[in-house]
Amino acid sequence: KNEVEQSPQNLTAQEGEFITINCSYSVGISALHWLQQHPGGGIVSLFMLSSGKKKHGRLIATINIQEKHSSLHITASHPRDSAVYICAVKGGATNKLIFGTGTLLAVQP
Amino acid sequence: EAQVTQNPRYLITVTGKKLTVTCSQNMNHEYMSWYRQDPGLGLRQIYYSMNVEVTDKGDVPEGYKVSRKEKRNFPLILESPSPNQTSLYFCASSRTRAYEQYFGPGTRLTVT
Repeated sequence: KNEVEQSPQNLTAQEGEFITINCSYSVGISALHWLQQHPGGGIVSLFMLSSGKKKHGRLIATINIQEKHSSLHITASHPRDSAVYICAVKGGATNKLIFGTGTLLAVQP
Repeated sequence: EAQVTQNPRYLITVTGKKLTVTCSQNMNHEYMSWYRQDPGLGLRQIYYSMNVEVTDKGDVPEGYKVSRKEKRNFPLILESPSPNQTSLYFCASSRTRAYEQYFGPGTRLTVT
């Protein structure tokens, strides 16, 4: 079993829909990252969080440390949000990053 | 402009021919890291560096070497590349390990 699991693996939405991507992990962590990877490969860091909730524009990330779960929400989705979204955790006792395999999101106009 | 640069962006080489992929950042970041990305496996960490002259293994270090002689540079060295090292490689940096990471554009390596 992977230490970081994302769901769903694939997601198709209509423009304007509210989207949720989930990330569950099985190790103790010091921080959790959400990354975005567009077709063509470039990776951008969206959020790094260790507790609570962060918001940036239409994106919201939450984390529940007790339940070892994080969610990434996209409000009023747009075709330009189409990308792979990747969750990664930094182990509490290490400096390594462990990645989920990503969620491929396609937002149709 | 704050950025992480990698060179080359694309490389096709043959088994056993030593190669180096360079990574440089202009943000005075302490933490730098190398990852490889493979279909179905996602991103995996190869090596990371907490600061100059401080490096440590990630999850898949076999077949790779790194060095951190200067703060801005973190080259990835493949002494004897093999076909199973065909992959997409990303370098990243952050202010320290506790901050979000900035990724380079990626290097697509093919070893035949």
